[in-house]
Amino acid sequence: SAVISQKPSRDICQRGTSLTIQCQVDSQVTMMFWYRQQPGQSLTLIATANQGSEATYESGFVIDKFPISRPNLTFSTLTVSNMSPEDSSIYLCSVGGLAGAYEQYFGPGTRLTVT
Amino acid sequence: GDSVTQMEGPVTLSEEACLTINCTYTATGYPSLFWYVQYPGEGLQLLLKATKADDKGSNKGFEATYRKETTSFHLEKGSVQVSDSAVYFCALSVADSWGKFQFGAGTQVVVTP
Repeated sequence: SAVISQKPSRDICQRGTSLTIQCQVDSQVTMMFWYRQQPGQSLTLIATANQGSEATYESGFVIDKFPISRPNLTFSTLTVSNMSPEDSSIYLCSVGGLAGAYEQYFGPGTRLTVT
Repeated sequence: GDSVTQMEGPVTLSEEACLTINCTYTATGYPSLFWYVQYPGEGLQLLLKATKADDKGSNKGFEATYRKETTSFHLEKGSVQVSDSAVYFCALSVADSWGKFQFGAGTQVVVTP
């Protein structure tokens, strides 16, 4: 498995501002993902963070709204830009591909409230 | 496309009762199947997995068997505790998209003393 930390753990932000969420892993990993979990809902994949290249976004998510960086194999950031109350969610990073296996391991999440 | 359907919650049980959460899937190819648990205010934890037909995953008293013939991966526990109160997610690995998952909607389980 892997130990994953996220910063901040929670934040309250005003609409129109941006927040950058950090995800740090204690070992080098092949795959890193960013998910959104709206209140009481399941997880929706935002994008796959690719090391050294642009992230791969899922349908309905765009780079201008959710820019992602992945400068190395242990770190990634997700920015939620120009926030609105609809962006209030838990944002989770996960890692996969450890020892060639499919399972993903998740960070503790960042609880974002936009007012 | 690949999808996961799990029973709706909340499921409310008394301590020491038996728990079953149904999960069925639709997938191309042969996905790996997973159960994750999310305790209040926390991220998801991998509970158990199965990578091929007839595999049984088990952990912390929970079990699930990969049934290809019924495309199911039901989660079971014989005697639940209050500490098992959480949201449980069934998930599969998406074919031809290495590492990507499809999650079910989640089932909230509430265990009362």
